[in-house]
Amino acid sequence: DGGITQSPKYLFRKEGQNVTLSCEQNLNHDAMYWYRQDPGQGLRLIYYSQIVNDFQKGDIAEGYSVSREKKESFPLTVTSAQKNPTAFYLCASSIVLSGTKQYFGPGTRLTVL
Amino acid sequence: AQTVTQSQPEMSVQEAETVTLSCTYDTSESDYYLFWYKQPPSRQMILVIRQEAYKQQNATENRFSVNFQKAAKSFSLKISDSQLGDAAMYFCAYRLIQGAQKLVFGQGTRLTINP
Repeated sequence: DGGITQSPKYLFRKEGQNVTLSCEQNLNHDAMYWYRQDPGQGLRLIYYSQIVNDFQKGDIAEGYSVSREKKESFPLTVTSAQKNPTAFYLCASSIVLSGTKQYFGPGTRLTVL
Repeated sequence: AQTVTQSQPEMSVQEAETVTLSCTYDTSESDYYLFWYKQPPSRQMILVIRQEAYKQQNATENRFSVNFQKAAKSFSLKISDSQLGDAAMYFCAYRLIQGAQKLVFGQGTRLTINP
């Protein structure tokens, strides 16, 4: 089945540690996105990539980093510089064409202890 | 910057009845898309309906329809014959047609269906 996978589903980290969230898609989509969701708020864009080896900052990129070495993969690293990293993280992908929808993964819940 | 506002944090409706969720947005652009996404307890985001701003006709998908008022920058979602499975968070979202395909989301409305 085609789709987006995110792992792990739940992630715990100690304060001051970096952690990497995985996102893989087998939809052959060019574009990939990372969103953060906090209680009572909608999704906010962290980073996005429209092509391999290229990515752009979204609205809340501080304290995060990404890479896009393969079309299928777009890992997100939450660094120790992120002041409030506890949140739900969603990865999405889309074809880079006007009008196409974004497909979302199941998400990763990150908790900083 | 574009913003999307959902003024109803929570709504409830009796099963089989109709409910309307509100959304307003702010943009200086003329070409864009508007979306309603559903997020059930599983937290998987599911696209419910999409509207192109250049189309005057309101989009419909089975029991879901929108009332798109471009001049008023309003985009409400109507759910007819509400079912228990419609219970979820509903997010309104905006995206430009040209350029980066990033979505701007509203804060969400939690919809409860009463049996």
